[in-house]
Amino acid sequence: GAVVSQHPSWVICKSGTSVKIECRSLDFQATTMFWYRQFPKQSLMLMATSNEGSKATYEQGVEKDKFLINHASLTLSTLTVTSAHPEDSSFYICSAKSPRDAYEQYFGPGTRLTVT
Amino acid sequence: QKEVEQNSGPLSVPEGAIASLNCTYSDRGSQSFFWYRQYSGKSPELIMFIYSNGDKEDGRFTAQLNKASQYVSLLIRDSQPSDSATYLCAVNLAGGYNKLIFGAGTRLAVHP
Repeated sequence: GAVVSQHPSWVICKSGTSVKIECRSLDFQATTMFWYRQFPKQSLMLMATSNEGSKATYEQGVEKDKFLINHASLTLSTLTVTSAHPEDSSFYICSAKSPRDAYEQYFGPGTRLTVT
Repeated sequence: QKEVEQNSGPLSVPEGAIASLNCTYSDRGSQSFFWYRQYSGKSPELIMFIYSNGDKEDGRFTAQLNKASQYVSLLIRDSQPSDSATYLCAVNLAGGYNKLIFGAGTRLAVHP
């Protein structure tokens, strides 16, 4: 099966700093990657859709200047949380879609961000 | 706003019983439907997906889709304590955007 990795798996940062999360497709080229956020006891909420070489498409209510997404290659997308605040503490999960699969997205293991 | 609705549970079933999980969706043009299992602190893992009306079976799992009623379900036969998790229903919106909209999830507890 297709494998997606995320780095780091957890991170603690101070309020006001920025943190970058990487999402990599290890054995396939991902034409599209997705970023989700999950607060405790809530479901996954799609933040943005990222296509290689083009600007990300953000969902309504997600601040594009705060959550910077870069999809520079077919195997790597990054999410940078800028000027993080405690309310940004959450579980961030990426997924990647292979052009070989019509339906399935492959999920990374997630990154737990805690902002103090 | 496209919505996916699930009963939050918890749904408690004895070991060996059939667990039935239900999901409704609002976007009539939705094309494909997914069931994910999520253990606490972990990312979702795909159980199965379905895109045609009717039943689809994979081992102990059966997904059922009724597009006219905008309803999809997941049956788990011979439930095991290791099946205890949150089950997320997700819908791929119409329009070819490949965006998944998730329900809030149903927590399943299988007790010995």
